[in-house]
Amino acid sequence: KAGVTQTPRYLIKTRGQQVTLSCSPISGHRSVSWYQQTPGQGLQFLFEYFSETQRNKGNFPGRFSGRQFSNSRSEMNVSTLELGDSALYLCASSRGFPEGKLFFGSGTQLSVL
Amino acid sequence: AQTVTQSQPEMSVQEAETVTLSCTYDTSENNYYLFWYKQPPSRQMILVIRQEAYKQQNATENRFSVNFQKAAKSFSLKISDSQLGDTAMYFCAFMKEDTNAGKSTFGDGTTLTVKP
Repeated sequence: KAGVTQTPRYLIKTRGQQVTLSCSPISGHRSVSWYQQTPGQGLQFLFEYFSETQRNKGNFPGRFSGRQFSNSRSEMNVSTLELGDSALYLCASSRGFPEGKLFFGSGTQLSVL
Repeated sequence: AQTVTQSQPEMSVQEAETVTLSCTYDTSENNYYLFWYKQPPSRQMILVIRQEAYKQQNATENRFSVNFQKAAKSFSLKISDSQLGDTAMYFCAFMKEDTNAGKSTFGDGTTLTVKP
């Protein structure tokens, strides 16, 4: 069974640009969540999608958005990039409760110059 | 809001020995799940072990076991017979029991180095 696939693995952008990250969950998983990981802030929850609906959102500005498609694949978009957006962005899929386990992809390392 | 605290930023252990990583959390919830995840240098987070708060019995997965103290809000991870492949950053995570399964709160992590 294929794991969670994130593309691309690495991205380099400049300030002011926008970026789209992609995540394909494990087959059968309807929940996809996104996390930002930085050395200073650790792992921060961005948002979660279930059956194409955003169910949860973390404390991030509106520049961070996402969506989920009918096949459960998800995309995350960051507009007007800032230097502080440089981070590892992790996607996780889940079957939901009662299991509650998160299965993570390898992440997208975003560098904003 | 929930908080998760890992007070040991770095730890090291000799191969084949036992090490315990600490985690405390704060919540007003009664039903929740606790997890330990491992992030090796490859960056991919991997689930190590899971504990349901309503279960008194401590979870065990092969060489990994937890000491769950609900009243003290403590959730430590014990790794027995440490192996070089256990070298990684370990994160403790909290998840409320509701339908929104994707949202977890993570601690800052403990970097574990297993020495040969």
